[in-house]
Amino acid sequence: GQQLNQSPQSMFIQEGEDVSMNCTSSSIFNTWLWYKQDPGEGPVLLIALYKAGELTSNGRLTAQFGITRKDSFLNISASIPSDVGIYFCAGQDAGGTSYGKLTFGQGTILTVHP
Amino acid sequence: ETGVTQSPTHLIKTRGQQVTLRCSSQSGHNTVSWYQQALGQGPQFIFQYYREEENGRGNFPPRFSGLQFPNYSSELNVNALELDDSALYLCASSSDTDQPQHFGDGTRLSIL
Repeated sequence: GQQLNQSPQSMFIQEGEDVSMNCTSSSIFNTWLWYKQDPGEGPVLLIALYKAGELTSNGRLTAQFGITRKDSFLNISASIPSDVGIYFCAGQDAGGTSYGKLTFGQGTILTVHP
Repeated sequence: ETGVTQSPTHLIKTRGQQVTLRCSSQSGHNTVSWYQQALGQGPQFIFQYYREEENGRGNFPPRFSGLQFPNYSSELNVNALELDDSALYLCASSSDTDQPQHFGDGTRLSIL
């Protein structure tokens, strides 16, 4: 099925470093969301973005909804060991019969070395 | 506030069998969506239920079916199980069809 292009696929960083990941799509989305998934658990919502150009922060996390509505990025500042996990971007359709549907990226695996 | 809960957490079936997975939505949420997540992949949309009606469906065959009950809990049924159905099945609820979705921890289904 359709997936968003999320990069990088994996990152290995030192504690305290900043992290940036992004997501692109060939389709327009009404809403962009970022989730984090830990092993054995479901995705947890980190940030939701509703307007093109919107920049939103949640603690050390900052995400932006691209102007074209086809991309988004997530930044994590001053990483800590508990940031380890898989980060997913997801776009929510703008309309049609499946407008409640989320389309996910392939995920970015983040490893933080103490 | 109780979050999204799914049962069972793990299940082992054999090819050709049928399975029912259950989901209790978060309090105040009337919309439930189901996703299949294969190992190493992002979740794939199966379908969404809004106020007991199917609101949208992804690219899954008819042997994947669902129900939503008056209390907004939901079931996912899969008939004639195939080996490729082995995956983590995630349920997500939201306060409306276009609102952010909150996920349960999933049911890990293994087909032998």
